[in-house]
Amino acid sequence: AQSVTQPDIHITVSEGASLELRCNYSYGATPYLFWYVQSPGQGLQLLLKYFSGDTLVQGIKGFEAEFKRSQSSFNLRKPSVHWSDAAEYFCALLSMDSNYQLIWGAGTKLIIKP
Amino acid sequence: DAMVIQNPRYQVTQFGKPVTLSCSQTLNHNVMYWYQQKSSQAPKLLFHYYDKDFNNEADTPDNFQSRRPNTSFCFLDIRSPGLGDAAMYLCATSTRLVQFFGPGTRLTVL
Repeated sequence: AQSVTQPDIHITVSEGASLELRCNYSYGATPYLFWYVQSPGQGLQLLLKYFSGDTLVQGIKGFEAEFKRSQSSFNLRKPSVHWSDAAEYFCALLSMDSNYQLIWGAGTKLIIKP
Repeated sequence: DAMVIQNPRYQVTQFGKPVTLSCSQTLNHNVMYWYQQKSSQAPKLLFHYYDKDFNNEADTPDNFQSRRPNTSFCFLDIRSPGLGDAAMYLCATSTRLVQFFGPGTRLTVL
């Protein structure tokens, strides 16, 4: 079965601290993976994507993600968070079997402590 | 800038009163999507178009319909909104591999 799991519903991090948001997937072939960010009341913005090649992917706003096939993971990282990073983060998998639809994780809400 | 535009950003309607949400794009993408997103949940796909080829998700209520008169525009019609239809409605476009989202329309049903 194809699925995406984000095990953390909420994460609280102090401003300036490092961040790692977890994402695990289940997919029978090479996955196409995405991280989107959603600020309150806004649409979804693409942070980064992995299709193939280098397993460490750089994105916008200083984010990066590492694809680990052995762990079926695609964790999002940032070395130092800013208050403006407070948002909901969604990991998604492109399903080639389902007409190129996205399979979404449940999301992780990032809270920044001053 | 190329983008996905949704109007209005906020829509208030009465229970049972039809409402139409609109989406336009300047990206010239051939695929367009409508999602429903409720609070603290992932987006749920309602429909998508590949060019004019319409695809309805199996669990999309009959109350929801969509039109795509041309490449640039797509509309979501809710024929008789119920309280449970209050949500954020997101439009997205893609070239198949990467989806780009509009800012959303927040629908309130009174």
